[in-house]
Amino acid sequence: RKEVEQDPGPFNVPEGATVAFNCTYSNSASQSFFWYRQDCRKEPKLLMSVYSSGNEDGRFTAQLNRASQYISLLIRDSKLSDSATYLCVVNEGGYNKLIFGAGTRLAVHP
Amino acid sequence: DTGVSQNPRHKITKRGQNVTFRCDPISEHNRLYWYRQTLGQGPEFLTYFQNEAQLEKSRLLSDRFSAERPKGSFSTLEIQRTEQGDSAMYLCASSLVRADYGDTQYFGPGTRLTVL
Repeated sequence: RKEVEQDPGPFNVPEGATVAFNCTYSNSASQSFFWYRQDCRKEPKLLMSVYSSGNEDGRFTAQLNRASQYISLLIRDSKLSDSATYLCVVNEGGYNKLIFGAGTRLAVHP
Repeated sequence: DTGVSQNPRHKITKRGQNVTFRCDPISEHNRLYWYRQTLGQGPEFLTYFQNEAQLEKSRLLSDRFSAERPKGSFSTLEIQRTEQGDSAMYLCASSLVRADYGDTQYFGPGTRLTVL
């Protein structure tokens, strides 16, 4: 079983749509959680950290359910510029190495 | 630009050759990480330095791979006797860890290696 699992997509949505991505992780001792965004042939960039209480940054909302080992990302009012791969990332603590999922591809069309 | 930089950005080599990549982290960052990313996958951890000390190595890092961070600043990743399976994007990330400060990793643009 992979340490971090995501639906690879692609999710094809029209502009203005709301889209949700889910992710599960296997290590119950994981300590911190993130969503990174990666554009084609570019480096990953931190989108947002994910907290147990849930957190929001503009059109983006992230949720963490530690009991179910489940992380989600909700994007409201999708823009063309949101088209990218979204990587679910877990930090297992210790030396803080990041464990990445394979990513979920989002394509927003006019 | 004060972000993480990596050189070269692209490298094409023949199987069996040695290659070396360089990473310059954000200045004052004390941690430096190497990751490898293949097509359709997320980055995979290779190794990590705290200042000049290499503290963890993934089992992905065979004995053909070696990494250094001699003065706790820039780092090099060398691959000896390259194989076609080494073709990937090699990503470097750095972070600043203090007792009162979280560890956010910032990635460089990567070095894309193609082994023919």
